[in-house]
Amino acid sequence: EAGVVQSPRYKIIEKKQPVAFWCNPISGHNTLYWYRQNLGQGPELLIRYENEEAVDDSQLPKDRFSAERLKGVDSTLKIQPAELGDSAVYLCASSGGGRANNEQFFGPGTRLTVL
Amino acid sequence: KQEVTQIPAALSVPEGENLVLNCSFTDSAIYNLQWFRQDPGKGLTSLLLIQSSQREQTSGRLNASLDKSSGRSTLYIAASQPGDSATYLCAVLSGGSYIPTFGRGTSLIVHP
Repeated sequence: EAGVVQSPRYKIIEKKQPVAFWCNPISGHNTLYWYRQNLGQGPELLIRYENEEAVDDSQLPKDRFSAERLKGVDSTLKIQPAELGDSAVYLCASSGGGRANNEQFFGPGTRLTVL
Repeated sequence: KQEVTQIPAALSVPEGENLVLNCSFTDSAIYNLQWFRQDPGKGLTSLLLIQSSQREQTSGRLNASLDKSSGRSTLYIAASQPGDSATYLCAVLSGGSYIPTFGRGTSLIVHP
């Protein structure tokens, strides 16, 4: 069974440019998470989807970040325009099952560098 | 707001030692706690998940315990090996917000 797939693995852009990240979760997983991880820190949740519905986006900087999960399967996270402080690793995870047993599985991440 | 702390931040041990990594959280109303390892430049690999009704979980040389009342979990690694070198993170899924909260991790080096 394929794991969580993310692309691209690396992205280098200049500030003020747009960038998009793509995630395909494990088949059958209804819950999808986008995280941002800065160096030396744990991941911080940006947005959580239950199927196609964004049920928690309180930590998503909505002035420049947007996300979508059309048809409740794969998802795209966009930044426009990017700032220097957006340099980080963007991780996608998915889970199935109920709240107590919703083991999260992570993709390899996208390392973003904003110059 | 849930806060998760991992101690120690870094650990360097010789091969063969038994290790204990600690994770503490401030809000005991949790659904579960999950331990991960992260290798440099890679995503997170799930090691163990403990549901709130459970006290411990075991997988191979790994054993994780959970004491909700004291807000603590420990990850025990038996007979450590150089391949265990990685950063170990714990994440708590809290009952109120249902937002997974991660600690900053423990960076482990096991030298031959």
